[in-house]
Amino acid sequence: DIQMTQSPSSLSASVGDRVTVTCRASQGIRDDLGWYQQKPGKAPKRLIYGASILQSGVPSRFSGSGSGTEFTLTISSLQPEDFATYYCLQHNTYPYTFGQGTKLEIK
Amino acid sequence: EVQLLESGGGLVQPGGSLRLSCAASGFTFDSHDMSWVRQAPGKGLEWVSVISVSGATTYYADSVKGRFTISRDNSRNTLYLQMSSLRAEDTAVYYCAQGLDGWPFDYWGQGTLVTVSS
Repeated sequence: DIQMTQSPSSLSASVGDRVTVTCRASQGIRDDLGWYQQKPGKAPKRLIYGASILQSGVPSRFSGSGSGTEFTLTISSLQPEDFATYYCLQHNTYPYTFGQGTKLEIK
Repeated sequence: EVQLLESGGGLVQPGGSLRLSCAASGFTFDSHDMSWVRQAPGKGLEWVSVISVSGATTYYADSVKGRFTISRDNSRNTLYLQMSSLRAEDTAVYYCAQGLDGWPFDYWGQGTLVTVSS
């Protein structure tokens, strides 16, 4: 199975900050990676697919990059509504695997 | 409007069985693979299973293989997850999810809670 190592597990930041979350795959997965945002009590919401393609309706402050084994999600200027938990998902090979999650908290 | 509506969750004893359903609407159900994803309380997301359009091909997470069975009824636009030999560690909110654009998962249900406890 492909393991997804996501870091950091938690992050404290302020409104306006630039933040980066990283996912590392245990083997190459091309660009078969998505990023999801989840708020408490809600279903996840897809932000990025194909490693770097912004989901329609998602603000442009979110961006994704990477290919192969290293991927990043960047939020260029944090807004209050961005404080949530973020997950990466590899869908190159079954079983699909999520990263452990990054909880983004207000400093 | 795409809608995925899960049902069938509840309290079940260890070793018991439960069947979850996901009623789909707003898209051509029999043209898309469908998946189940779960989330234990306070924990991260875990992909559980996927079924192909025809139902002929299925895959499972190692943690549920041999105990869970995914199926679908395209005439009823409904996805199922039959869960047996349930364990405490299967306690979670179960979501059905799919990707209309061929990438996972741009649509999710609201989830149904399964609690395995005596």
